[in-house]
Amino acid sequence: AQRVTQPEKLLSVFKGAPVELKCNYSYSGSPELFWYVQYSRQRLQLLLRHISRESIKGFTADLNKGETSFHLKKPFAQEEDSAMYYCALGTYNQGGKLIFGQGTELSVKP
Amino acid sequence: EAGVVQSPRYKIIEKKQPVAFWCNPISGHNTLYWYRQNLGQGPELLIRYENEEAVDDSQLPKDRFSAERLKGVDSTLKIQPAELGDSAVYLCASSLEGLGTEAFFGQGTRLTVV
Repeated sequence: AQRVTQPEKLLSVFKGAPVELKCNYSYSGSPELFWYVQYSRQRLQLLLRHISRESIKGFTADLNKGETSFHLKKPFAQEEDSAMYYCALGTYNQGGKLIFGQGTELSVKP
Repeated sequence: EAGVVQSPRYKIIEKKQPVAFWCNPISGHNTLYWYRQNLGQGPELLIRYENEEAVDDSQLPKDRFSAERLKGVDSTLKIQPAELGDSAVYLCASSLEGLGTEAFFGQGTRLTVV
């Protein structure tokens, strides 16, 4: 079964602390992984994808096929990082679809 | 660029009534998605269009839900009749061409069925 699991519904850290939002996936094929973010009262938007291997707003994510994980990390959290974060799995069967995890709310306290 | 435009933003209806949502994707985007997001959950795909063709509607409850994308541009999603369990945020997204390109989301329509 194709599935994305984000084990934490809420992650609360202090400003300047490191952040790691966990994401595990289940997929038998070659996965394409994404992180989407939704800031308060804004629309859902792409943060980064694994194939581009880039850092966006200080966030990075490495695909670990052995552990089937795609954790999102940032060394020093900022208050403006507070948002809902969704990990998504892209599958090419059935013509392609994005399967989202349940989301993790990140709260960065001053 | 306005991005993906959805209307209405909010809708409250009584159960058994019909409701329709409208989506205008970004100009030039061939792929259009409708997602449903229940409270505390991630978005779940209802239907995906490539131009005017529905290429994946396996998750669409066809007994009460219908969708169309005439001329491969705007799209409407309809529920008839609505049930209490249909209360959710309905999201529309579009991308240039399928999964490999970034999906841009609209603001969503929050439906409350009472």
